[in-house]
Amino acid sequence: GAGVSQSPRYKVAKRGQDVALRCDPISGHVSLFWYQQALGQGPEFLTYFQNEAQLDKSGLPSDRFFAERPEGSVSTLKIQRTQQEDSAVYLCASSTSNEKLFFGSGTQLSVL
Amino acid sequence: QKEVEQNSGPLSVPEGAIASLNCTYSDRGSQSFFWYRQYSGKSPELIMSIYSNGDKEDGRFTAQLNKASQYVSLLIRDSQPSDSATYLCAVNPTGNQFYFGTGTSLTVIP
Repeated sequence: GAGVSQSPRYKVAKRGQDVALRCDPISGHVSLFWYQQALGQGPEFLTYFQNEAQLDKSGLPSDRFFAERPEGSVSTLKIQRTQQEDSAVYLCASSTSNEKLFFGSGTQLSVL
Repeated sequence: QKEVEQNSGPLSVPEGAIASLNCTYSDRGSQSFFWYRQYSGKSPELIMSIYSNGDKEDGRFTAQLNKASQYVSLLIRDSQPSDSATYLCAVNPTGNQFYFGTGTSLTVIP
């Protein structure tokens, strides 16, 4: 596909469950960003990769959040022991030049 | 203090009017500024970028930047109902992060 692909589109988790969210960026895009967007809020920065290197993870809210991009393409955001406050839309974006972000459709996570 | 501040609105304008959206930012060293549009339930899409003081026009959209005042605005001329969306201001201070405001909800009334 030509765009950023995220899966699953929707995820319902029981509190305490681990979840893994996948992002497949546009081919050739070096930069990959993860954002968390709560209802009625703007996207909040979580972490940034340049190729396989995680250059900034300052936005990850706790050590329950972990992201990886082992081969510099597909990235996975993992949330361990999910809590209700983790409920949000998780957006992935990729870019060639850190100038224009191309967003995926997001994963809507609901923690019950 | 958040990096990027926007009036959350909602802002309502009649069809054909000018909609004015405003944004302030805290990092004086920021060099890149963006406006994204987000329809309900959809992901953000870039509509304007601006890097220099002054105005930048693209069709019905004009972005304005004043670095001394740390202020960015977006004007939408001849507003259409299809412009109804949330408009997100974003700032890229370091090249590694894009900080977004909370967004301004715009409704264009036919």
